[in-house]
Amino acid sequence: DAGITQSPRHKVTETGTPVTLRCHQTENHRYMYWYRQDPGHGLRLIHYSYGVKDTDKGEVSDGYSVSRSKTEDFLLTLESATSSQTSVYFCAIRARVDTEAFFGQGTRLTVV
Amino acid sequence: SQQGEEDPQALSIQEGENATMNCSYKTSINNLQWYRQNSGRGLVHLILIRSNEREKHSGRLRVTLDTSKKSSSLLITASRAADTASYFCATVVNAGNMLTFGGGTRLMVKP
Repeated sequence: DAGITQSPRHKVTETGTPVTLRCHQTENHRYMYWYRQDPGHGLRLIHYSYGVKDTDKGEVSDGYSVSRSKTEDFLLTLESATSSQTSVYFCAIRARVDTEAFFGQGTRLTVV
Repeated sequence: SQQGEEDPQALSIQEGENATMNCSYKTSINNLQWYRQNSGRGLVHLILIRSNEREKHSGRLRVTLDTSKKSSSLLITASRAADTASYFCATVVNAGNMLTFGGGTRLMVKP
């Protein structure tokens, strides 16, 4: 299995609080992605990174920010969590343009 | 809206039958990939087809790509109950940096 770890795996937080999810890889892959998965919407891209300090917005980036200060870590921050951000969050890594992605096990976030 | 859209959204077949899922996308792609997700788990890569390829096989999987129609299909032959899962297509766009997924097809294979 590809070395990719998400933490935490489960989190319950209150509306208005900041939350940071971490994705850690041991593969030295260039690309890292954050997705959210909700019933009826499949996987939607939040933010992605194509190198250290190189990040860009995805389809549903409002309310989220990311940082990648080193190759192995990609952090997703919800500045002020809202109930609409209750979801399952997946991180993925990819080595090159013409290769497949490997996914983490997901983080189930509940905002109450 | 999402780059890729799968059709049908749900499919129920008997074991031994073939299952076909389709994916349509909107913009030019570098490559297209199919993934499988078992309930509650992360996605697992099945097959990748490049924009200059038209067909690819892997075991019981057959993928086709028609760039003129911006569509792809995934065929699973001789399905098994263990193939029950959700299947997603993903496209690589934006100079290869973005990887975007469709809504998925939920496949149920009845024993």
